[in-house]
Amino acid sequence: GAGVSQSPSNKVTEKGKDVELRCDPISGHTALYWYRQSLGQGLEFLIYFQGNSAPDKSGLPSDRFSAERTGGSVSTLTIQRTQQEDSAVYLCASSLVWGSGNTIYFGEGSWLTVV
Amino acid sequence: AQKITQTQPGMFVQEKEAVTLDCTYDTSDPSYGLFWYKQPSSGEMIFLIYQGSYDQQNATEGRYSLNFQKARKSANLVISASQLGDSAMYFCAMREGRRGAQKLVFGQGTRLTINP
Repeated sequence: GAGVSQSPSNKVTEKGKDVELRCDPISGHTALYWYRQSLGQGLEFLIYFQGNSAPDKSGLPSDRFSAERTGGSVSTLTIQRTQQEDSAVYLCASSLVWGSGNTIYFGEGSWLTVV
Repeated sequence: AQKITQTQPGMFVQEKEAVTLDCTYDTSDPSYGLFWYKQPSSGEMIFLIYQGSYDQQNATEGRYSLNFQKARKSANLVISASQLGDSAMYFCAMREGRRGAQKLVFGQGTRLTINP
């Protein structure tokens, strides 16, 4: 497809289990972002990948959260030993390099519920 | 300090009226970009409009325009002739720095409700 693709769209998991969320950015987009949005709240930055540069991990809330981006394209956000407070929508976004395409496009999100 | 401030948690506007959503920002970087996104109840984030710090003119996209006042560090979104479908959350966001070196930071959002 032409847009940012995220999977799964919905995930219900038991507390303590690990989950993986996948993001497939728009083809050619070198910048990739992960955000978290709790119900009724704003967007919380998690991690940012830009080309071959070291990712900006400053937003990851704990060491249970990690993300990787393979081959400069698909990214996986992993949450280990999930807690109920991890329940949120996880949004992925991508863009071209700054200055050559400024629009940042979002996927439809992965709704995570930890029970 | 908050990078992006949206002071209106909620707004109610009559259909067909114009509406202005406020956004102020804080940065010392001369190079930055400002974005507005719409998030309907379905949850998707829809890009509306972009303004670069060096752009000489205010950005416009259809019924959306951005009232960019650089000295005041203000980037208000103006929606002309509002429609019922404009009811949604609206987020202002900023990205600082050149070459995409910095992350996109969001405000807390404004919930806009258009009344018939």
